[in-house]
Amino acid sequence: RKEVEQDPGPFNVPEGATVAFNCTYSNSASQSFFWYRQDCRKEPKLLMSVYSSGNEDGRFTAQLNRASQYISLLIRDSKLSDSATYLCVVRGVTFGTGTRLQVTL
Amino acid sequence: NAGVTQTPKFQVLKTGQSMTLQCAQDMNHNSMYWYRQDPGMGLRLIYYSASEGTTDKGEVPNGYNVSRLNKREFSLRLESAAPSQTSVYFCASSELEGWTEAFFGQGTRLTVV
Repeated sequence: RKEVEQDPGPFNVPEGATVAFNCTYSNSASQSFFWYRQDCRKEPKLLMSVYSSGNEDGRFTAQLNRASQYISLLIRDSKLSDSATYLCVVRGVTFGTGTRLQVTL
Repeated sequence: NAGVTQTPKFQVLKTGQSMTLQCAQDMNHNSMYWYRQDPGMGLRLIYYSASEGTTDKGEVPNGYNVSRLNKREFSLRLESAAPSQTSVYFCASSELEGWTEAFFGQGTRLTVV
């Protein structure tokens, strides 16, 4: 089993929609979690850290479920500019394969 | 502020040739990493250096060597390139290995023919 697994998508959603991604991890001892965003042919950039209590940054909400060993990212009111690949990261260094999001008019 | 700088940005090699990818960061970070990214595979860790003077294997180290030249620089060497090493290579750095945000270079697109 891979250490980090993500649904590759693509997720095609209309502008204004709410979309959620999950990422499961296998190492129960993992302590640090992040979501990164990667635009086509660009380097990944940090979107947000994931805290045990959950955290929100504008339209983005990240949550951690230790019991079921997954993290989630919720994007509300999707914008065209949200179109990208979203990568979850476990233990700070292990990346998932990424979930591609395409927001359309 | 340059952040993480990788060179070269593009490279074509013939099978069996060798080359070194260079990476430098100006953020005074302790930890540095080399990843490769292939379609459908995500980013896979090749080698990392938690701090100056140390290096460790990641998920896919075979066919590669690294050198942490000093705190700023971390190079990746392909001794005998193979077509399976065709990929996009990213260097990254972070203040504290595994716990803080990683900053990435712009990537090196390597083709081995």
